Amino acid sequence: GNSVTQMEGPVTLSEEAFLTINCTYTATGYPSLFWYVQYPGEGLQLLLKATKADDKGSNKGFEATYRKETTSFHLEKGSVQVSDSAVYFCALSDYAGKSTFGDGTTLTVKP
Amino acid sequence: DSGVTQTPKHLITATGQRVTLRCSPRSGDLSVYWYQQSLDQGLQFLIQYYNGEERAKGNILERFSAQQFPDLHSELNLSSLELGDSALYFCASSVASNSGNTIYFGEGSWLTVV
Repeated sequence: GNSVTQMEGPVTLSEEAFLTINCTYTATGYPSLFWYVQYPGEGLQLLLKATKADDKGSNKGFEATYRKETTSFHLEKGSVQVSDSAVYFCALSDYAGKSTFGDGTTLTVKP
Repeated sequence: DSGVTQTPKHLITATGQRVTLRCSPRSGDLSVYWYQQSLDQGLQFLIQYYNGEERAKGNILERFSAQQFPDLHSELNLSSLELGDSALYFCASSVASNSGNTIYFGEGSWLTVV
């Protein structure tokens, strides 16, 4: 079956540091890939997505590139802020629309 | 605000009881998903409906059942509750059910079983 493996947390960074959260996947066919973010006390919300190989999703300074050859979709941000503190989920959606989520990575950014 | 509405937001009940969680999807969305989020098991996909019909099943226990009604709202029924069922239950919706559709999550229903 499909699976998503993401970098274990928690991750603690200082403000303005560079962020990378690794995500790799296993799926048949050509899934779509997503990053969702969950702020404290809220539901998950879409951060960015990519629907085919070599696509780059971006939003709010975050980026991730769909790498089919390495089955990866790593999340990056050049300069994190305290307000980026949240739980980040990598996810895929397969050809049938079935979604699989990673376990989530908790990011804490300190001033 | 994602447009997905879940009720109740919080629920405390005793072991052995039965509860119903309700979800109204975003306007125009035909697909509804249920997820369970707990500290020890992370985010688990339970079940998906599309336009009233079951589309995909995940790690849903036999004590749990769900349905999507003609007006597209959905209910998740949890019975014979156990302490381990305490979790945050999310409903989510999307326009369709194929790959690439963004899933929009509600704020969740906190269930505490005592």
